[in-house]
Amino acid sequence: DIQMTQSPSSLSASVGDRVTITCQASQDISNYLNWYQHKPGKAPKLLIYDASNLERGVPSRFSGSGSGTDFTFTISSLQPEDVATYYCQQYDNLPYTFGQGTKLGIK
Amino acid sequence: EAQLVESGGGLVQPGGSLRLSCAASGFTFSNYAMSWVRQAPGRGLEWVSGISGSGSSTYYADSVQGRSTISRDSSKNTLSLHMNSLRAEDEAVYYCAKDINSGYPRYFDLWGRGTLVTVSS
Repeated sequence: DIQMTQSPSSLSASVGDRVTITCQASQDISNYLNWYQHKPGKAPKLLIYDASNLERGVPSRFSGSGSGTDFTFTISSLQPEDVATYYCQQYDNLPYTFGQGTKLGIK
Repeated sequence: EAQLVESGGGLVQPGGSLRLSCAASGFTFSNYAMSWVRQAPGRGLEWVSGISGSGSSTYYADSVQGRSTISRDSSKNTLSLHMNSLRAEDEAVYYCAKDINSGYPRYFDLWGRGTLVTVSS
């Protein structure tokens, strides 16, 4: 199975800050990498697909980059409603695997 | 509006069985592959099983292979997951997820809110 190593596991930042989360795959996955947002008690939400494409309706402050084994997810200006856990997910090979998650909070 | 609503979770004894269901609405169900993804307490997300839009192909994680059956009924817009020989490590919130693809599962652009499965004697 492809292992996805996500960091940090938790993060607190101030409103308006730039936030960056990284995800590293145990092997080359090209750009087959997605980012999801998950708030407690709610359905997970797709934010970024194919490493850098913004899902319809997702605010432009969210972005993604990378290819191969190293990927980055960025929130350009953190908003209070961004408090959530964020996961990367590879879909290069079954079983599709997720990073362990980054819990994002507000200082 | 497209929506997925899971049901069927609950308390089950170790070694028991359970059938989870997911009611889909707001999109053409048969056009999309579907998956189940779970989250154990305090842990991250784990893909469990997937099925093609036609229902002809199914896929399982090793952790549930041989103990689980995924199926779909396009006449009822319903996805199911039957699990038996349940273990403590199967305890989790189970999410139904719609794929962006019709055939081989790829990734998920719509999720339900989940149903909790508790495995305990």
